Amino acid sequence: GDSVTQMEGPVTLSEEAFLTINCTYTATGYPSLFWYVQYPGEGLQLLLKATKADDKGSNKGFEATYRKETTSFHLEKGSVQVSDSAVYFCALSDPSFYGGATNKLIFGTGTLLAVQP
Amino acid sequence: NAGVTQTPKFQVLKTGQSMTLQCAQDMNHEYMSWYRQDPGMGLRLIHYSVGAGITDQGEVPNGYNVSRSTTEDFPLRLLSAAPSQTSVYFCASRPGTGNSPLHFGNGTRLTVT
Repeated sequence: GDSVTQMEGPVTLSEEAFLTINCTYTATGYPSLFWYVQYPGEGLQLLLKATKADDKGSNKGFEATYRKETTSFHLEKGSVQVSDSAVYFCALSDPSFYGGATNKLIFGTGTLLAVQP
Repeated sequence: NAGVTQTPKFQVLKTGQSMTLQCAQDMNHEYMSWYRQDPGMGLRLIHYSVGAGITDQGEVPNGYNVSRSTTEDFPLRLLSAAPSQTSVYFCASRPGTGNSPLHFGNGTRLTVT
């Protein structure tokens, strides 16, 4: 079945370092891809998304490019801040219900990012 | 805007007890869902609903019941709690069409002893 694989954390970086969190997926169709972020004590929030191959999603300095040839959607940021410390989840929409009301999200296991001052 | 509201925030139950986790949204979203979050497992879909009166099972439905009598509310019932149901539970909603992102509540941390 469809699945999402993320790099295991925690990822510990110093402020202003470059961030990459790897995400690869398995899907039979043409999924949409998402990155969600979870700050301590809160629910998940959408960070960015891409709906087709070669699309680049971006938000708050974070970017991810939908690479169909490598089935990847790696999250990057050029200069992290302490406030970016959170858990990051890669997710895909179930392509078997694409466009329908029953679109289901399949999540990766999450990657904890800790940024030190 | 309230968004998605979950109550309670924390709950401790003894094995065999029952309880209902409440979820309400004020965005007129057709789709609502329940996830559980466990370390190393990510988020797993328990049940979901595409509109009032319509519910369906997700990945891990056993031990949980849901109903959707109104667009706004989607309660999750544990009829006989088990330690394996110790988890953080998230309710999420979105508009019914297309690939709109999910809006999450802040979660309910449940411990079953």
